Amino acid sequence: TQLLEQSPQFLSIQEGENLTVYCNSSSVFSSLQWYRQEPGEGPVLLVTVVTGGEVKKLKRLTFQFGDARKDSSLHITAAQPGDTGLYLCAGARNFNKFYFGSGTKLNVKP
Amino acid sequence: ETGVTQSPTHLIKTRGQQVTLRCSSQSGHNTVSWYQQALGQGPQFIFQYYREEENGRGNFPPRFSGLQFPNYSSELNVNALELDDSALYLCASSLRGPETQYFGPGTRLLVL
Repeated sequence: TQLLEQSPQFLSIQEGENLTVYCNSSSVFSSLQWYRQEPGEGPVLLVTVVTGGEVKKLKRLTFQFGDARKDSSLHITAAQPGDTGLYLCAGARNFNKFYFGSGTKLNVKP
Repeated sequence: ETGVTQSPTHLIKTRGQQVTLRCSSQSGHNTVSWYQQALGQGPQFIFQYYREEENGRGNFPPRFSGLQFPNYSSELNVNALELDDSALYLCASSLRGPETQYFGPGTRLLVL
């Protein structure tokens, strides 16, 4: 069983639509990261959130860390085909162990 | 500033063999973590090395072992390969403290 559960697993939307990806756990994390991964490549870090309730914005992407530091969400506004990829959340515990969710595969159709 | 590099990019081995994968960390980073990513799954944490010592381990058997060198580059060794070891192996480097990791492109291992 995964320590972090991501939903949905798959998402196929039209260009211009908004979407939200969720990352949930029953465990508390000292921080949480979001990554995007292209096929055959390593994950690329998008953001790290550390404080409960923290909200970070990166252009059209908005990341939120839950107040209890157990969950997080990624919201994309006006999705573009270039946003297509596998989105992964990862939680850090004790500063030296990282746990990844199983990922959300996003396909944005032009 | 150079990014994280891994070698080789692809590798084919047979069951029972041993394999060594290599990782050069990003300049200035003293911590390296290794992950196994099966097809369609998220990465699974194998272990982390900080200043040449193992500093945390996931749920992997002892046949998965590693090294970190004084220049902070690292190796992942897997003995007695099994079919289920076929996966993308990723390394990530970071500075101890900030929990921000930067990943290499990975090594794709196929065990036949």
